[in-house]
Amino acid sequence: EDKVVQSPLSLVVHEGDTVTLNCSYEVTNFRSLLWYKQEKKAPTFLFMLTSSGIEKKSGRLSSILDKKELFSILNITATQTGDSAVYLCAVKNNAGNMLTFGGGTRLMVKP
Amino acid sequence: DSGVTQTPKHLITATGQRVTLRCSPRSGDLSVYWYQQSLDQGLQFLIQYYNGEERAKGNILERFSAQQFPDLHSELNLSSLELGDSALYFCASSVATSGGYSSYNEQFFGPGTRLTVL
Repeated sequence: EDKVVQSPLSLVVHEGDTVTLNCSYEVTNFRSLLWYKQEKKAPTFLFMLTSSGIEKKSGRLSSILDKKELFSILNITATQTGDSAVYLCAVKNNAGNMLTFGGGTRLMVKP
Repeated sequence: DSGVTQTPKHLITATGQRVTLRCSPRSGDLSVYWYQQSLDQGLQFLIQYYNGEERAKGNILERFSAQQFPDLHSELNLSSLELGDSALYFCASSVATSGGYSSYNEQFFGPGTRLTVL
């Protein structure tokens, strides 16, 4: 059974800080790892990672995957209050398209 | 706005009842996925349909069923409801090439239906 563990469970920072969120996984026949941001309702897609060592970047957010050590990190620089959300990591295997999610990291950014 | 729509937004019902949740995927997406999010279990995959056919099943209870119609909208039916079924139910869709089997396409989530069973 595929498994995803995220850490920390929650994090409180101040605006301008840089944060790193962690995601480790155990997957049979790994295909891809995805990051989502969940505010009040629907998770919104951030990144999909399939290859080790290639950084994906979007504005202040970036993510990288290490397929040897089976983890990914999501970095947010110069955090803003609007970054406050639950960040979800999910993996997909070669058997199908379903996503297995981690428990999420709840980030709170204080002004 | 992801382009995936779900109705209703909220649903309050009693134990033992049956409800139907509806989802319309993004235009052009053939695959629909249903997920349940509860406080203690997190986001869990229930079932996937591709172009009207069931493609994958996760931890879906026998009391729950789903279908995808020719216009590609999907319905999730929950019956004999229990208190523990109270949760957010999300629908997601993707282009899902490869006949709905594993692909590199991301999934886009709808706003969810919050089900409360009293």
